[in-house]
This record gives sequence, C-alpha cells and structure tokens, in this order.
Amino acid sequence: DAKTTQPNSMESNEEEPVHLPCNHSTISGTDYIHWYRQLPSQGPEYVIHGLTSNVNNRMASLAIAEDRKSSTLILHRATLRDAAVYYCILRGTSGTYKYIFGTGTRLKVLA
Amino acid sequence: DGGITQSPKYLFRKEGQNVTLSCEQNLNHDAMYWYRQDPGQGLRLIYYSQIVNDFQKGDIAEGYSVSREKKESFPLTVTSAQKNPTAFYLCASSIAGHSGNTIYFGEGSWLTVV
Repeated sequence: DAKTTQPNSMESNEEEPVHLPCNHSTISGTDYIHWYRQLPSQGPEYVIHGLTSNVNNRMASLAIAEDRKSSTLILHRATLRDAAVYYCILRGTSGTYKYIFGTGTRLKVLA
Repeated sequence: DGGITQSPKYLFRKEGQNVTLSCEQNLNHDAMYWYRQDPGQGLRLIYYSQIVNDFQKGDIAEGYSVSREKKESFPLTVTSAQKNPTAFYLCASSIAGHSGNTIYFGEGSWLTVV
C-alpha cells in the first residue's frame, strides 16, 4: 500500500499563506491524493483531492508535482479556525478501497 | 440530513467486558470503515467493508470484530481480547470502486476502560 510522509508540525501567522507538504513516492498511477483535516475530538473533514492537475476549491488549493511523488496543500490566508491536524492520504491500490492515513501535520496558527 | 451517526459518544468499559459501538449511515454508501485514534496519534484502520456481508481486516484488527448485515450499518465490537482499548473510534463511509471518491467520517466515539 502506498504511504505518505508529512512533517509533524508547522506554524503560520494569521492571514499569511501556508504550504503543507506531503511525500508519496510509492503512489500508483490511479491513486488520488486526498487531504483531510481534523479538529480535536472530531472526525476528519474533507478539504480537497486531485489526481494529476492542480485543484482549487473554496477551502484550499492542491499543487501536485509532475511526477506525482509529492503534493502541497495551500491555504491562501490562514485563520485561527484553520488550526488543525492535516492528513494527506491515498486510496489503497488494487481495488482494496482502503484509505491509508499518514501521521498528519499539526498546524498552529499564530494571531 | 445525510451523514454518519456514531453512538454512544462516550462509553466506559470494565475490564473483561465486550462493548459494541454503533455506526449508521444514510448516504447509500457501499463501503464502510472503522479507525482507531490514540491521543496525539494518527488514524489506524481496524476493519473495512466493501459490501454487505463482507469485510476485511485492517492493520490492527486483533481484539475487534465487526458485522455488515445491512448496507447502512457497520457495528464494531471491542472484545475483552483487546488489551488496550481506550481510544477514540471513528467510523467512515464512501462510495466504493473509484479512488477519487471522498470518505466521510462520523463524529467519533470515546471508549475508556475503567
């Protein structure tokens, strides 16, 4: 199963952009890259996902490397409500339907 | 509203007892999952099910059991064989088949052994 690697923690100042990196060097050609975030004592919530092209939605942008071995979640203007643990995950290969979570990055936003 | 309902939110178990966590979804999803999360840690997959009457072990299935008799329900039983069950348990569901499908989570259940 393809796995992801993320930094344990990052800090950002409020209203500044944040770039959260994720390495997934063993990704297969059909795996989508998903990003979720989790607040304390809550279930993770969907942020964004993509396959090959960069993706934008109202929450964030996802930049995917050309070789797909890494990706970056971009929060354009961090707010205090963006403080959470961010998970970069890949769908399991070979039709196993597993979503494999990495360790996540704890984002701290400074006022 | 559509979503995933987990119950109870908080559960206390005495050592040696089995307990069952409920998970119900009305999203018409084929696939359902159970994850365990220890404080300050990431999510680890316990069991998952792609279709009714079928399920597979995840990475940490020992001491747990599941059933999938109905599409909308995927209860998790924490047995007495699970030696360290105190954790936050998350149920999730998704449309099966395509790796681009989004996974949706419930609000979680806290289990504490007393």
